[in-house]
Amino acid sequence: QQQVKQSPQSLIVQKGGISIINCAYENTAFDYFPWYQQFPGKGPALLIAIRPDVSEKKEGRFTISFNKSAKQFSLHIMDSQPGDSATYFCAADYYGQNFVFGPGTRLSVLP
Amino acid sequence: DVKVTQSSRYLVKRTGEKVFLECVQDMDHENMFWYRQDPGLGLRLIYFSYDVKMKEKGDIPEGYSVSREKKERFSLILESASTNQTSMYLCASSTRTPGQGGYEQYFGPGTRLTVT
Repeated sequence: QQQVKQSPQSLIVQKGGISIINCAYENTAFDYFPWYQQFPGKGPALLIAIRPDVSEKKEGRFTISFNKSAKQFSLHIMDSQPGDSATYFCAADYYGQNFVFGPGTRLSVLP
Repeated sequence: DVKVTQSSRYLVKRTGEKVFLECVQDMDHENMFWYRQDPGLGLRLIYFSYDVKMKEKGDIPEGYSVSREKKERFSLILESASTNQTSMYLCASSTRTPGQGGYEQYFGPGTRLTVT
């Protein structure tokens, strides 16, 4: 019940295309859903996050879509750039002490 | 600027050795975490601490212990290193008071440990 599933495992997108990564969770106690971005040799860094009281959050080219009834959320990267090539992790948490990460998606954006 | 530092970027140890991984944060955060990262498995929580001298087991605590004597420092200890503990180890910290939206975790750069 603590698991967060993430797909696809890897993704190749042309420059300018849309990258979509999907996650699903089981535990309805989760109330914070962040996405982390990790470049090689670096630790993960927060990219964007959402609470379940909203269905969408947009920050620049990055959008989280959240479907509470389906217990699913997704990351959309519009106008994908080679600099977006990284590993992306979705996560879920409640009370700040119950973080669960998805297995990650390796995104490659071709120039 | 927020900062989480880890004592080593790369470490090579022999089977059976006792290994110490140190993590220091300068943000006065209450919560600190140790994860290991393996390809295809994502980040798995080993231990976390929500206060000085407090610790809680995560998903994979076997073979590990931790120490938190000061608020800013959280140590991960491998009592007797084994080859299946070869991995990337990441430390993170967060505040107990949620910021805008939630409890952002700040990560260190990681320590790549190889046990031979």
